[in-house]
Amino acid sequence: DADVTQTPRNRITKTGKRIMLECSQTKGHDRMYWYRQDPGLGLRLIYYSFDVKDINKGEISDGYSVSRQAQAKFSLSLESAIPNQTALYFCATSDPQTGPNPRYYGYTFGSGTRLTVV
Amino acid sequence: QKEVEQNSGPLSVPEGAIASLNCTYSDRGSQSFFWYRQYSGKSPELIMSIYSNGDKEDGRFTAQLNKASQYVSLLIRDSQPSDSATYLCAVKRFGNEKLTFGTGTRLTIIP
Repeated sequence: DADVTQTPRNRITKTGKRIMLECSQTKGHDRMYWYRQDPGLGLRLIYYSFDVKDINKGEISDGYSVSRQAQAKFSLSLESAIPNQTALYFCATSDPQTGPNPRYYGYTFGSGTRLTVV
Repeated sequence: QKEVEQNSGPLSVPEGAIASLNCTYSDRGSQSFFWYRQYSGKSPELIMSIYSNGDKEDGRFTAQLNKASQYVSLLIRDSQPSDSATYLCAVKRFGNEKLTFGTGTRLTIIP
C-alpha cells in the first residue's frame, strides 16, 4: 500500500457542487499539506496542518476548507466548486525537524486527484 | 520576483549527454533545497536534497548549491529517455517547514 493515499484519483463534478478530497497516510508524519498544480503555475499551497489541532491557510485558500480528522487523515473540501478549481490536487506529508543537527527530508506526496469542474 | 524561478523549457538533450537544470531563489533565509522529478500526470518524486554549498552526487545526479549567488542546479549525467520529465526545484526556509516550489523545467531526452 502507498504511504500517502488520495481518493478519489479522478473526479468530474458540476459547478456549485460540494466535493471532498481525502488523504490518508501511514508515514506517521505530523505535518500534512494540500497543494494544487496548474500548468505554468506550479504547485501552490492551499492549506497545511502541523498537528490535529493546527490548521493554517496557504497562499490560495479561498474557496477551500480542510479537516484534520486524525493524525493520519487530512481532507480538502470545495464548498461550491467552480471551473477554475479544475486542477491536479496533491496531498503531502513531512516529518518535523528534531535533534541537534536536524535534517529536513522534504515531502512525501500522494498520487494526486485530478479534479474537473464542468 | 518569484520566490523560486526555473526556466520552464522544454530543454532537449541527446541521450548520453549531460542535462543541466537551473534554479534561483530570492529568500536568503533559505536553508534546504530539493529536486523533484515529476512524470506527466504523476506525483513529484524526491531525487536530490542539498543543504550545504558545493556539490552532492548520487549516482548519475549531482546537485550544486551556491548560497551566495542564490543558485541551485541539477546535473544529470548519461541522460536516458527515462529521465524525460518535469523537474521541480523546491526551497525550504529556516524555521519554516513548508516548501516553496518553482514551476518546473520540462526535460526531454532525445534518443
